[in-house]
Amino acid sequence: QVQLVEAGGGVVQPGRSLRLSCAASGFTFSTYAMHWVRQAPGKGLEWMAVISNDGSNEYYADSVKGRFSISRDSSKNTLYLQMNSLTTEDTAVYYCGRTRWLQLGYFDYWGQGTLVTVAS
Amino acid sequence: QSALTQPASVSGSPGQSITISCTGTSSDVGGYNSVSWYQQHPGKAPKLMIYEVAYRPSGISNRFSGSKSGNTASLTISGLQAEDEADYYCTSYTTISTLYVFGSGTKVTVL
Repeated sequence: QVQLVEAGGGVVQPGRSLRLSCAASGFTFSTYAMHWVRQAPGKGLEWMAVISNDGSNEYYADSVKGRFSISRDSSKNTLYLQMNSLTTEDTAVYYCGRTRWLQLGYFDYWGQGTLVTVAS
Repeated sequence: QSALTQPASVSGSPGQSITISCTGTSSDVGGYNSVSWYQQHPGKAPKLMIYEVAYRPSGISNRFSGSKSGNTASLTISGLQAEDEADYYCTSYTTISTLYVFGSGTKVTVL
């Protein structure tokens, strides 16, 4: 069965960095685009970033462009999100999700999320 | 890219039907059949309920249906049940700034 398991969340000080990971199993990782979506406490879902199935294309939300970087390692079936220059506004649960295509896709599976808290 | 517009809350009695709207622009909802809907219970990950405007994934009750007219997509839940009480989000592919945009979310309450 398809599984997406996020890890790497925790408490981090403003201005510091953190790297999240999402371990994929139960499907052919290299045939799906992969996304990060976050949800601040008590707020709605916010799309963050996507990487194409082969890692050749990346797109970001304006709110994180230049600070966050998405990547993937097909040898490890793992998706990553490198988050730099974190602010308190980045506090959220971060979900990874997959879509069959980079564009015009829909999220058919999601991970359980990992909580990132940015606080001094 | 602003979030797609959804009503903050919708409520209904058991057995009734409710409809949640999701309004965007011709650059997202109106321009592509790439609207999907997600159900989220508190503390849980979102769950796909409708994809490509009107298609139900395997295992999703036929009480859930989707449609689109112009720049507005809609999710209808018929025969409302207590278990349908949750937050619902739409999302669409977009050509404005980013690739995907979510709706603002709607809290469904079963009275």
